[in-house]
Amino acid sequence: GESVGLHLPTLSVQEGDNSIINCAYSNSASDYFIWYKQESGKGPQFIIDIRSNMDKRQGQRVTVLLNKTVKHLSLQIAATQPGDSAVYFCAEGANRDDKIIFGKGTRLHILP
Amino acid sequence: GAVVSQHPSRVICKSGTSVKIECRSLDFQATTMFWYRQFPKQSLMLMATSNEGSKATYEQGVEKDKFLINHASLTLSTLTVTSAHPEDSSFYICSAVQGRETQYFGPGTRLLVL
Repeated sequence: GESVGLHLPTLSVQEGDNSIINCAYSNSASDYFIWYKQESGKGPQFIIDIRSNMDKRQGQRVTVLLNKTVKHLSLQIAATQPGDSAVYFCAEGANRDDKIIFGKGTRLHILP
Repeated sequence: GAVVSQHPSRVICKSGTSVKIECRSLDFQATTMFWYRQFPKQSLMLMATSNEGSKATYEQGVEKDKFLINHASLTLSTLTVTSAHPEDSSFYICSAVQGRETQYFGPGTRLLVL
């Protein structure tokens, strides 16, 4: 488990550049994966999800890639904006309505 | 649509007292609600799964007598932290699921136990 005082990894990206946030998930039996955005003092906000029978899914300015062979998930944000500054979490579960387990999170910092 | 609210947003209490946190789905009926806690700079940790009309299912290591969950209706679940102590200070977040849809999260409740 995580220890008290553990700092979140930070990704610093120039405004306008693309951001790539990575996540290694733990359970090879997971079939449903989600990316959430969490701003300071708020609850997580759904960004995009993907099922295990897909390897790529696109949304508005975001793309999620899934590599089940190496249990890796990534979130790509195109043309990063100041409003994208937040902590991003990946989560995994069996189904959409089942419990999900959150990954450790990455803080995205936007450089002016 | 799919709005989840929590009340209160912040609460400060004395050690030894109990605190109740409400989670409501405002525009849908939630078949299942989940409760999480989050310490500073850490991830969300699932505490329990709550289905309307039945007992909550707690994750390993979460004391069910300490964290009482009641899901009396399809739009309301409550989490009561009993005999709260400073180590219970945390950010408590709920989520709600409608049917086979994904989880929608509430804004969280900041609990500070003095």
